[in-house]
Amino acid sequence: GAVVSQHPSWVICKSGTSVKIECRSLDFQATTMFWYRQFPKQSLMLMATSNEGSKATYEQGVEKDKFLINHASLTLSTLTVTSAHPEDSSFYICSASPPVGSPSEQFFGPGTRLTVL
Amino acid sequence: GNSVTQMEGPVTLSEEAFLTINCTYTATGYPSLFWYVQYPGEGLQLLLKATKADDKGSNKGFEATYRKETTSFHLEKGSVQVSDSAVYFCALSRGTGNQFYFGTGTSLTVIP
Repeated sequence: GAVVSQHPSWVICKSGTSVKIECRSLDFQATTMFWYRQFPKQSLMLMATSNEGSKATYEQGVEKDKFLINHASLTLSTLTVTSAHPEDSSFYICSASPPVGSPSEQFFGPGTRLTVL
Repeated sequence: GNSVTQMEGPVTLSEEAFLTINCTYTATGYPSLFWYVQYPGEGLQLLLKATKADDKGSNKGFEATYRKETTSFHLEKGSVQVSDSAVYFCALSRGTGNQFYFGTGTSLTVIP
C-alpha cells in the first residue's frame, strides 16, 4: 500500500527557534497533502491543505505566518513552525491524497512530536 | 456542514468481550466513511472503510456497515484482544483530495 513518511519523528527545540517537518509520499505522487495537529488525548485538527505548486489553504484560526507550508514537489510537503513557543508543542501529522481516480482515501504519516522548551 | 460524532471513551473491556463503538455523521451528499486506529506513540492506520450505502468494511475481525438511513458507521468486533488496545477514530471524506473530518476518538483498553 501507499506509504507516507515524516521526518523527524521527534524533535525538541528551544523557544524562539524554527523547526521544519518533512512529509513525503514514498511510492505515489500526491497533488494534495494535509497537515493536522493533535493534542494529547484529542482528535486531529486540520491545520492546512497543501497543493503542489500553489499556496496552502489554512483553516480558520491557524496562523499562516507561523506555520509555513511549502509543497515543492509531488512527493514532498514541509511544515515550518517559526519562532516556536511551548504552546506549539504537539503531535503533527501529515497525510497525502492519492491521485484523482483512486478510491477516496488519505494515507497518514507516522507523526512528528514537537516539544518546545 | 460535515461532522462526525463518536462515542466517548474511554472503553475498558475484558479479553474476548464484544466491542461496539458508535459513530454517526452529518454530511452533504454521499461521503466515504472510515475507521482509523492509532496505537500509542504512532500515527493513524486505516482499519476499514466503506464508500457507499450498505457497504460493509471489514479487517482484522472488525466490521462496520455504512447505514445511510441512520447516518451511522458503528465499529464492531466479536472478540477483542489485548493487542486491540488503541484509540479508534471515525472519519468521513467527501472525495479524493478532500479533507477528512474526524471524530474525537475512542480509547479502548482490553484487559487480560
